[in-house]
Amino acid sequence: GAVVSQHPSRVICKSGTSVKIECRSLDFQATTMFWYRQFPKQSLMLMATSNEGSKATYEQGVEKDKFLINHASLTLSTLTVTSAHPEDSSFYICSAIPRGRHYGYTFGSGTRLTVV
Amino acid sequence: AQTVTQSQPEMSVQEAETVTLSCTYDTSESDYYLFWYKQPPSRQMILVIRQEAYKQQNATENRFSVNFQKAAKSFSLKISDSQLGDAAMYFCAWGGGSEKLVFGKGTKLTVNP
Repeated sequence: GAVVSQHPSRVICKSGTSVKIECRSLDFQATTMFWYRQFPKQSLMLMATSNEGSKATYEQGVEKDKFLINHASLTLSTLTVTSAHPEDSSFYICSAIPRGRHYGYTFGSGTRLTVV
Repeated sequence: AQTVTQSQPEMSVQEAETVTLSCTYDTSESDYYLFWYKQPPSRQMILVIRQEAYKQQNATENRFSVNFQKAAKSFSLKISDSQLGDAAMYFCAWGGGSEKLVFGKGTKLTVNP
């Protein structure tokens, strides 16, 4: 089956630094990847949609300069949280859709980001 | 805009019993998919079941089945013979032409031994 690897699973960084989260589709090509943010005991909030080779589409209210998304290949998308602050601490999840398989979402295992 | 509503923040069920989780949605699109995802404490999102809106037959996956009422925009999940491993957050989700998923707020299911 389709597998999405998300790395790292946990990261602690200092305020003001940047941190990069990787999302890889291991056994399929993903034309579209999604990035979500999940606060404790809440649902998933879509942050942005990334398509290979083009700029990400951000949801309303998401700071594109703070959350940089790069979808450089059909198997890799990255989310960089720039100049992180404690309020950026959260659980971030990616998902991917295999090429040609509509609505066949596969989720990564998530990254818990703590900014101290 | 599409919305997904889960009106039960928490539900509990006895092991081996049956429980139904509710979900309603609102959309003007005619072609879409509906999903139930399970999120255990590990926080890995696991697909439980998927329903294509154009299919009248309700989807089933082993102990999991849905009651899809398109006209009423209702999509409930029935879990039969509940097991301890079923305890988790359950999210109902809608996916349409843009392929973006819209999630409900979730229902926390507790399974009592």
